[in-house]
Amino acid sequence: DAGVIQSPRHEVTEMGQEVTLRCKPISGHDYLFWYRQTMMRGLELLIYFNNNVPIDDSGMPEDRFSAKMPNASFSTLKIQPSEPRDSAVYFCASSPGTDYGYTFGSGTRLTVV
Amino acid sequence: AQSVTQPDIHITVSEGASLELRCNYSYGATPYLFWYVQSPGQGLQLLLKYFSGDTLVQGIKGFEAEFKRSQSSFNLRKPSVHWSDAAEYFCAVTPNDYKLSFGAGTTVTVRA
Repeated sequence: DAGVIQSPRHEVTEMGQEVTLRCKPISGHDYLFWYRQTMMRGLELLIYFNNNVPIDDSGMPEDRFSAKMPNASFSTLKIQPSEPRDSAVYFCASSPGTDYGYTFGSGTRLTVV
Repeated sequence: AQSVTQPDIHITVSEGASLELRCNYSYGATPYLFWYVQSPGQGLQLLLKYFSGDTLVQGIKGFEAEFKRSQSSFNLRKPSVHWSDAAEYFCAVTPNDYKLSFGAGTTVTVRA
């Protein structure tokens, strides 16, 4: 298995633009998580899905953030409009749900200028 | 409030020396416990996990961790550090609801 695949690896965008981050989880994993990592706040859980259904989005910072999982093999995290304070590394992770171990992707480093 | 604490922000250790990273948690009951490692520019890799049973857990890359209920701790150890162990290490917990909470991380530097 190729692991959790995230794209793009790096994204630089201007303030106010829409940004879409993509994630392909490991096949057969029923849980998908989006995390954000910053120096100031560390790793924060934004949202997680079970069987493509959003279970808990309490970590989504504000309405500018949205996440979807249209099928078991694809999820997106969208920021519209983006702001400089959204600059961070965004990780996607998936889990089979049976042993609570997550497999993380390599992350997307987002820079909003 | 539930929390995960890694008291050491940065540790420097000589190659071949032993390493111990501390993790303390504050939860109403014993949560599920994990250690992850993150190399620069990479995602997090699971080193080991504890759910129940034997309190000494073996993981990958020669790491082990010991769960101590009385101290609410889950410290990570390695007997002999290699230069490739230089990375950031995260302790994480979940009270069995799939939401992992991470500590702030400990950066390990290995000197020759």
